[in-house]
Amino acid sequence: DQQVKQNSPSLSVQEGRISILNCDYTNSMFDYFLWYKKYPAEGPTFLISISSIKDKNEDGRFTVFLNKSAKHLSLHIVPSQPGDSAVYFCAGHYGGSQGNLIFGKGTKLSVKP
Amino acid sequence: DGGITQSPKYLFRKEGQNVTLSCEQNLNHDAMYWYRQDPGQGLRLIYYSQIVNDFQKGDIAEGYSVSREKKESFPLTVTSAQKNPTAFYLCASSIVGRAEAFFGQGTRLTVV
Repeated sequence: DQQVKQNSPSLSVQEGRISILNCDYTNSMFDYFLWYKKYPAEGPTFLISISSIKDKNEDGRFTVFLNKSAKHLSLHIVPSQPGDSAVYFCAGHYGGSQGNLIFGKGTKLSVKP
Repeated sequence: DGGITQSPKYLFRKEGQNVTLSCEQNLNHDAMYWYRQDPGQGLRLIYYSQIVNDFQKGDIAEGYSVSREKKESFPLTVTSAQKNPTAFYLCASSIVGRAEAFFGQGTRLTVV
């Protein structure tokens, strides 16, 4: 059973507009949530994270929102740029001794000029 | 430059042969991980290690083996028992207890 779900396989946005990528989770034991960006044939690069005790974290054009009651988080990119076109993975982190990341299946973002 | 190095980037093997993927890091991280990515899928955990000479199975460990003889190195062997070995393999490392993991550039393994 998927513990982290990204229900939209793809998203297309116009340059300069907002991109909103969504993620749902089922496991209440995650202590952090992370977003990674991935280009084809490359490793994922870390983008932004949020602690499970926070509801918002912002870093430049990237903001992550966490709604614990709904077990939902979202990544907002404003303004979107063509270089943002990539696959975005949401991940939940188990704290404690395991320390593993559980990934969603990813959302492919295309930002059109 | 600090980072994680995976080699080779592309690897071809005949069915029935074992193959070892290399992963080296100079970030001084104690924890290391191996993930597998298939098309349209997320990253699935194969094995992880939080200290030298110790490692744990992840969600899809069958057909794989690892060793952790040095802090910097965490090689993955894909054995002939792995039924669908063709995939993109990613190695990662982190500070134990920290959420953020750093990834290598990956190895594309094709078994023919």
